[in-house]
Amino acid sequence: QQQVKQSPQSLIVQKGGISIINCAYENTAFDYFPWYQQFPGKGPALLIAIRPDVSEKKEGRFTISFNKSAKQFSLHIMDSQPGDSATYFCAASSGGSRLTFGEGTQLTVNP
Amino acid sequence: EPEVTQTPSHQVTQMGQEVILRCVPISNHLYFYWYRQILGQKVEFLVSFYNNEISEKSEIFDDQFSVERPDGSNFTLKIRSTKLEDSAMYFCASADLTRETQYFGPGTRLLVL
Repeated sequence: QQQVKQSPQSLIVQKGGISIINCAYENTAFDYFPWYQQFPGKGPALLIAIRPDVSEKKEGRFTISFNKSAKQFSLHIMDSQPGDSATYFCAASSGGSRLTFGEGTQLTVNP
Repeated sequence: EPEVTQTPSHQVTQMGQEVILRCVPISNHLYFYWYRQILGQKVEFLVSFYNNEISEKSEIFDDQFSVERPDGSNFTLKIRSTKLEDSAMYFCASADLTRETQYFGPGTRLLVL
């Protein structure tokens, strides 16, 4: 019940396209849903996060869509750039405790 | 911008040896975490630490592991007798009083031979 499932495992998009990564969770106690971006050899860096009281949050080219009833949330990257090529992890936590991570999505943006 | 730092960046050790991984969290943060990431797999929680004691630990964090805040700035993870399966990237993270965002360090890549 602590799992967060993420798809797809890998994603290739063209420059300027939209990248969409999906996550699903089971634990209804989760109340914080961050997305982390990880470049090779680096630690995960917070990209954007949402709480379940809103259905969407946008920061620049990055948008989280949240569907509480379906227990799903997704990351949309608009106008994807080669510099966005990285591994993206969704995560969830409850009450500020441990982060439970998804399996990760390796995004490649072709120029 | 303040950041979490970790040393060493890489460590190679023999099976059965003890290793200590070091972290310097962001200075005004009060919550500290260790996670690990086996190559190609997802990031997994090991332990959280607050007010000089463990606040939560996962099933991975067995008696071979220990954490310590030996002074006002460092936070360490000790593995007493390393196993081959301990080979992974180990990340330290810290959070402020709100615990809303955990900031990760660059990691220590541990290889057990």
